[in-house]
Amino acid sequence: DADVTQTPRNRITKTGKRIMLECSQTKGHDRMYWYRQDPGLGLQLIYYSFDVKDINKGEISDGYSVSRQAQAKFSLSLESAIPNQTALYFCATSETGTANQETQYFGPGTRLLVL
Amino acid sequence: RKEVEQDPGPFNVPEGATVAFNCTYSNSASQSFFWYRQDCRKEPKLLMSVYSSGNEDGRFTAQLNRASQYISLLIRDSKLSDSATYLCVVNRPSGGYNKLIFGAGTRLAVHP
Repeated sequence: DADVTQTPRNRITKTGKRIMLECSQTKGHDRMYWYRQDPGLGLQLIYYSFDVKDINKGEISDGYSVSRQAQAKFSLSLESAIPNQTALYFCATSETGTANQETQYFGPGTRLLVL
Repeated sequence: RKEVEQDPGPFNVPEGATVAFNCTYSNSASQSFFWYRQDCRKEPKLLMSVYSSGNEDGRFTAQLNRASQYISLLIRDSKLSDSATYLCVVNRPSGGYNKLIFGAGTRLAVHP
């Protein structure tokens, strides 16, 4: 079984709809992240969380919100989806350790299309 | 200017070839450097960390030049299975957290 899972894997929605992307991990890591990937661009950090009570904005948090329901679960919401939020979304985890050499482990991604 | 820049490619090489990818970064405070591999429509996975003295893992060699703010990845004896996009990743120190900044990737296609 995969250590980091994301649901749904694919989603088509309409402008203005609220949607939630979910991420679960069995790695026991404290840190979790949400990124989006667009063609020709690097992964961009949306939000990150160091533990259940710690939520931080990334570079492109506008239009998104998150919830860390438990150590193993981190969900991303689009309150009112718009077409330029069409992208590939990745959840990732990392273990708190030597700060300079943290490895991030990614989920399989969610392809979102906003019409 | 992007914080991490890579040649997007694609690099089309025959099996057995040696290929090198370059990456430059703009934040001189960066201290951690990585290469990730991303297969088509899949998630990125860590290929190797990059250490100051350079490091090798089988057919893969990574080098760092801090003065020039430049990172390289060399792949020797290319295999068909090496076809993927290679992401250069650099940390950006920010308070107590090292954010990872991802390059857009260099695409490699190895052909028979």
